[in-house]
Amino acid sequence: DAKTTQPPSMDCAEGRAANLPCNHSTISGNEYVYWYRQIHSQGPQYIIHGLKNNETNEMASLIITEDRKSSTLILPHATLRDTAVYYCIVRVSGYSTLTFGKGTMLLVSP
Amino acid sequence: NAGVTQTPKFRVLKTGQSMTLLCAQDMNHEYMYWYRQDPGMGLRLIHYSVGEGTTAKGEVPDGYNVSRLKKQNFLLGLESAAPSQTSVYFCASSDPGPENAQYFGPGTRLTVL
Repeated sequence: DAKTTQPPSMDCAEGRAANLPCNHSTISGNEYVYWYRQIHSQGPQYIIHGLKNNETNEMASLIITEDRKSSTLILPHATLRDTAVYYCIVRVSGYSTLTFGKGTMLLVSP
Repeated sequence: NAGVTQTPKFRVLKTGQSMTLLCAQDMNHEYMYWYRQDPGMGLRLIHYSVGEGTTAKGEVPDGYNVSRLKKQNFLLGLESAAPSQTSVYFCASSDPGPENAQYFGPGTRLTVL
């Protein structure tokens, strides 16, 4: 699986957009980009995933660069409940397990 | 739809005792997984199953055994608990293929004294 690089921590003001970057420069053409988050002591929560195209759902948007070497998770209007560790994960085709790194600790402040 | 549930939520064991953690899913997923998470670390895969009656080793399988006798259940056993197995255990399930997301349970917090 391709490795990912994320900043260890980020801050965001409540109500503003949170943009979480992820670098995956060694990604292969058949590997998906996944985002999960983990609120303290809870199970990881699936957010969104994509292969090549940008994706949007009720929680977030995922922007993948054209060369697929990086991506950005966007929480359009962050709330205090979005404070969590966010994991960017690359999944290789044909092998379904997830490899979690250390993620980005997002702190949303009033 | 309960999703993925785990039993128990908390447990304290003494060194050498045994126990079984139960994971159940109601999404008819083929694949199920057991992860552990230690303080300040990411999740690590212990064992996984790609279908009823099948199991496979993950990254950190030593000291654990698993069984998948029914499609909806995945059991994680500790035959002789050690303090190094103090951790939070998460179960997950998914449909086959990397295009399908894994969905996680709420976790079991295990302490081995």
